[in-house]
Amino acid sequence: DVKVTQSSRYLVKRTGEKVFLECVQDMDHENMFWYRQDPGLGLRLIYFSYDVKMKEKGDIPEGYSVSREKKERFSLILESASTNQTSMYLCASSLPSTASNTEAFFGQGTRLTVV
Amino acid sequence: GESVGLHLPTLSVQEGDNSIINCAYSNSASDYFIWYKQESGKGPQFIIDIRSNMDKRQGQRVTVLLNKTVKHLSLQIAATQPGDSAVYFCAGDEGGKLIFGQGTELSVKP
Repeated sequence: DVKVTQSSRYLVKRTGEKVFLECVQDMDHENMFWYRQDPGLGLRLIYFSYDVKMKEKGDIPEGYSVSREKKERFSLILESASTNQTSMYLCASSLPSTASNTEAFFGQGTRLTVV
Repeated sequence: GESVGLHLPTLSVQEGDNSIINCAYSNSASDYFIWYKQESGKGPQFIIDIRSNMDKRQGQRVTVLLNKTVKHLSLQIAATQPGDSAVYFCAGDEGGKLIFGQGTELSVKP
């Protein structure tokens, strides 16, 4: 079974702190994604990566950056946390779109509260 | 770009009835769609997918219908059970990234 693991279930950080959210997948997937989930807004794509050291902006990249130094790990970085970044963060991975099965597999989520 | 929207934010059904959750998409070039189920406190889980060369696909108690003419897809759940209570998301593929709708919360009344 595919396993996507996010390092924390719950985090509380102070405004202005630098925050790292870590995600690891064990299925050798090329694609990895970071979404945030807010009530009434569904899942919105922050950043994604198709390969090591490669990153692309999603729909709401402002205030975030990412790092993909190894294929299995995709980190989301909040450079200076703000209260409007309080949210549920979801990491996902998938095979390339050329594969026959390209559904994304999700981690359990990290609920981040910025105070 | 792609936008994906669900028609109703909430749906309440009686246990044993069939459920139908609807979704519309905007990008005609999207060729892959997925339905996800998210239970409270968990990440979304894959239910069923469909490619644009099909108009229907069936799984265990679930069926996805795709109408490319009106850019609409639906998820049908047969004999809905209390364990089906969750938020359901449709997602469309845009160049390898999935664009999600807002979700429909399904409640099953005993």
